[in-house]
Amino acid sequence: QVQLVQSGAELKKPGSSVKVSCKASGGAFSSYSISWVRQAPGQGLEWMGLIIPVLKTTNYAQKLQGRVTITADESTRTYYMELNSLRSEDTAVYYCARGNPNDLDVWGTGTTVTVSS
Amino acid sequence: DIQMTQSPSSLSASVGDRVTITCRASQGITKYLAWFQQKPGKAPKSLIYGASSLQSGVPSKFIGSGSGTDFTLTISSLQPEDFATYYCQQYYDYPWTFGQGTKVEIK
Repeated sequence: QVQLVQSGAELKKPGSSVKVSCKASGGAFSSYSISWVRQAPGQGLEWMGLIIPVLKTTNYAQKLQGRVTITADESTRTYYMELNSLRSEDTAVYYCARGNPNDLDVWGTGTTVTVSS
Repeated sequence: DIQMTQSPSSLSASVGDRVTITCRASQGITKYLAWFQQKPGKAPKSLIYGASSLQSGVPSKFIGSGSGTDFTLTISSLQPEDFATYYCQQYYDYPWTFGQGTKVEIK
């Protein structure tokens, strides 16, 4: 079945960067979008941005513009989210999700990113 | 940005109850609305897209309705596995935005 498997938990220092991966298997992904959504501890869901690999286009939440970069490696069906200049408020679980084409029908396993000195 | 407001923020209900959650958009989003269920420590699960279309494999007790600015999610007969937090989300315009969530608890 369709799966999105994400990389493992990360512990980062404030001011550093993190790059989270999301590997797709078991279904069609080339014509879909991949979004990244995060969830701070005890909080709701926040959409960060997406990539449409076939069009090679991205769209980012204004709040994160300039700090987040979403990329795709279609040869390995792996998608990446890099977040720079980390601060404590970036501590969250980060999810990738497939857009079909826009409704988020399949979600990744989640990656916990902790930002702490 | 389009603001999504859910009500109530939480509710207590018994097994077998019919439950309705409301989601209001700050501007019209036609039918570009989805509903998700999330259990503690798990990724969200897609239930409804296009305001009223059921995702594959989702039981028909989940019913979505509405268009424009006002939407509802109804669970026709609450079962133990339905106790969770539910989120609405608009994908009409960027940035996509979520409601704050509705926690459904056991009475």
